[in-house]
Amino acid sequence: GAGVSQSPRYKVTKRGQDVALRCDPISGHVSLYWYRQALGQGPEFLTYFNYEAQQDKSGLPNDRFSAERPEGSISTLTIQRTEQRDSAMYRCASSLGQEWNTEAFFGQGTRLTVV
Amino acid sequence: LAKTTQPISMDSYEGQEVNITCSHNNIATNDYITWYQQFPSQGPRFIIQGYKTKVTNEVASLFIPADRKSSTLSLPRVSLSDTAVYYCLVGDPFFNAGNNRKLIWGLGTSLAVNP
Repeated sequence: GAGVSQSPRYKVTKRGQDVALRCDPISGHVSLYWYRQALGQGPEFLTYFNYEAQQDKSGLPNDRFSAERPEGSISTLTIQRTEQRDSAMYRCASSLGQEWNTEAFFGQGTRLTVV
Repeated sequence: LAKTTQPISMDSYEGQEVNITCSHNNIATNDYITWYQQFPSQGPRFIIQGYKTKVTNEVASLFIPADRKSSTLSLPRVSLSDTAVYYCLVGDPFFNAGNNRKLIWGLGTSLAVNP
């Protein structure tokens, strides 16, 4: 596609439910990043992939959070047993190269609200 | 990771030149400096990147002094549409191990351009 696409754009879920957030990066982009952004704050790194390999997941808050990118393209961020503190904007970005300073293109994000 | 410090907010008027300075006193030899722009309700967007001296593109200029302990993003003749949050990031593009990817975005500088 022309840009990074995330779905759904908005997600409201009840506490305790599992959610899956999808990211469709720009075609051919090697690196894919997941960030979380609270209102008025900068993006907070969660995890990233080079191709299908998850290179770093140390930013994931706890073991309820997981991510995968099985074919090196689309990625899914899953949050199990959601809690209200998980409410935030979740952003995905992709870049052509593996080096972090390669320009990253961000999607519009998924606004998650846990009620 | 090099910590960055930016002003929380700045005000300007249309047509003026805006300079946003970022301090990064513990920048490492291999670190690059990258600036992103974020409009409300959108994902961050790459503006410019540099290593030393001056870099200019169609959007902005980036000035980096010889000691590289700071950098200044210069936006010429701003317009209302330049109202956004600007983030300064510092990191080593070739250090792919964990910590480098956890770029700390901070709060950024919220620029308000007034008519």
